[in-house]
Parts: sequence; structure tokens; C-alpha cells
Amino acid sequence: DGGITQSPKYLFRKEGQNVTLSCEQNLNHDAMYWYRQDPGQGLRLIYYSQIVNDFQKGDIAEGYSVSREKKESFPLTVTSAQKNPTAFYLCASSMGGRGMNTEAFFGQGTRLTVV
Amino acid sequence: KQEVTQIPAALSVPEGENLVLNCSFTDSAIYNLQWFRQDPGKGLTSLLLIQSSQREQTSGRLNASLDKSSGRSTLYIAASQPGDSATYLCAVRADSWGKFQFGAGTQVVVTP
Repeated sequence: DGGITQSPKYLFRKEGQNVTLSCEQNLNHDAMYWYRQDPGQGLRLIYYSQIVNDFQKGDIAEGYSVSREKKESFPLTVTSAQKNPTAFYLCASSMGGRGMNTEAFFGQGTRLTVV
Repeated sequence: KQEVTQIPAALSVPEGENLVLNCSFTDSAIYNLQWFRQDPGKGLTSLLLIQSSQREQTSGRLNASLDKSSGRSTLYIAASQPGDSATYLCAVRADSWGKFQFGAGTQVVVTP
């Protein structure tokens, strides 16, 4: 089945640790995105990538890093510089580019908790 | 900057009643608008995508309208069922490279 797979579903981070969230898609989409969701708030864009080996900061990139070495994969690292990392993280993909048909598809999310 | 608002934040209706969910955006220069459903602790499921050139889009009991000039979209769900209970989010694509701006969502409860 085509789709987006995020892992793990739950992740616990100790103070000072870096953790990496995985996102893999088999939809052959060029564009991939990372969003953060906090209770009562809309999704906020962390990073996005339109092509392999290229990515751009979103609205809240501080304390996060990404890589895009393969079209299918867009991992997100939450670094120790991110002071309030507890949140629900969602990965998405779309055909991207300047076309009109850029329907976005989402993974099932990773819930990160600082312990 | 594009801002997306969804009012009300929460809504409770009895089963069988039609649902009307509102989404407004500040900049009418959009590429498309997408409606999603989110169940607790889950990801987003795409419901409908409306291109900027379209006025409405339909899928089963769902119908979404788009009025770019007034910066509004409405999602109608006919004959609501308890299984429709979820949070509904709208997202506007206002960027040529596909970035989406989301509303905070409307939490819907359909009571039997």
C-alpha cells in the first residue's frame, strides 16, 4: 500500500539528548514536510523539502535539523537546543513543484515527550 | 502573512443533523484548499481538495465550497453519524512550492 510511515509512534527524550524521528514515503512525491502540533493550535511548519539534497526552514525551525539524502526519506532531528520539544510531530508529502495538484498526505505521527 | 481561522473551535450535534464547518483565510491569492479529518492521537486524513478555480467539491456525504473573493470555505457533512466525531482542519496552499497554512481545527462530537 502506498503511504507515509512515521516511526516510532511514541518517543521519550531525556534532557540534553538529540532524537531522530523517521519519515518514509512510497508515493513517489517530490515534496516532504514536517509539522508540529500542540494542543489547541494549528499545525506549524518546521522544515520542508522540494527535492533531494535541498530543504528550507519553516516557521519554527530553531532547535530542529533535517536531511534529504533520498527521495523517500526525510528524517527530523530534535536537538537539545529545542527547549520545549514535547509535541505531536507529523510528516507529510505532496507532488510538490508548481503544479496545481498538490494534495498533501500525512503519516500517523510521532508523539515526543521529554522525561 | 496568510492566516487561517476556523470557527467554532468545538461543535456538538445530535445524530442525523447536518454539519456546517467554516474556514476563513486572509489572502485570497491561494492555489488550493484542503479539508482534513483527525482522530485523537492520529495523523490527518485528507477529505477534499478544492483547486482555486473550483467553487465546490463533493465526495459522498461531504461537500466543500470555496469563495476566494470573500476568503471562505465551508465543509458540509450531511446526515451526521457518531463516526463523524473528530477534529476537522482546513489548510490553504498559498505558496507556489506547496507549503500549507493550517487552521486550528473544529472539534466535532456527534451524539447518538
